[in-house]
Amino acid sequence: KNQVEQSPQSLIILEGKNCTLQCNYTVSPFSNLRWYKQDTGRGPVSLTIMTFSENTKSNGRYTATLDADTKQSSLHITASQLSDSASYICVVSCLNYGGSQGNLIFGKGTKLSVKP
Amino acid sequence: ETGVTQTPRHLVMGMTNKKSLKCEQHLGHNAMYWYKQSAKKPLELMFVYSLEERVENNSVPSRFSPECPNSSHLFLHLHTLQPEDSALYLCASSQEFPAENEKLFFGSGTQLSVL
Repeated sequence: KNQVEQSPQSLIILEGKNCTLQCNYTVSPFSNLRWYKQDTGRGPVSLTIMTFSENTKSNGRYTATLDADTKQSSLHITASQLSDSASYICVVSCLNYGGSQGNLIFGKGTKLSVKP
Repeated sequence: ETGVTQTPRHLVMGMTNKKSLKCEQHLGHNAMYWYKQSAKKPLELMFVYSLEERVENNSVPSRFSPECPNSSHLFLHLHTLQPEDSALYLCASSQEFPAENEKLFFGSGTQLSVL
């Protein structure tokens, strides 16, 4: 079964610190991996999209890595700000469409709280 | 703004009520989606429309009824809901369907509470 597991479930850090969120997946055949940021009460917003051949991609203070061999991804946030407080969702896209999940397999997300 | 607008933002309804959620996208996309987001669960795909034709209905109870009158508008009609239907309902759109290589744009969602 196609699955995406994220860790930790929640995380509290101090403003200015760095943090790393993890995503492990068992999705086949793999197409791409996405990270979304979801503010409380809002819809998810895309941060990065990585294909099989890309092992790192940055978007400002956000840097995503992908190891397609071990089927792991991480999202690193540098010099965190209060506005980084949100849920971060890992989504893996499957090349074959079918089943109740469709093409996109969502993780449960990591809830990040940045404290002053 | 993502270009996908949902109304209302919040909705409280009794189990005997009938209400509708509305979604509008201003991106010229051909595919629109309804997702359900419950606490501590991954997003669940409910319905997909591509070029106004329904292409996916994931065994969603009949008390949820989607409608796509044109490629820019999507509705979710609700009737005789249950308390466990309380959740954030998200609308999304993409240029094409299937979306394995397409970027998904989400609305802000409707937070639904069923009493």
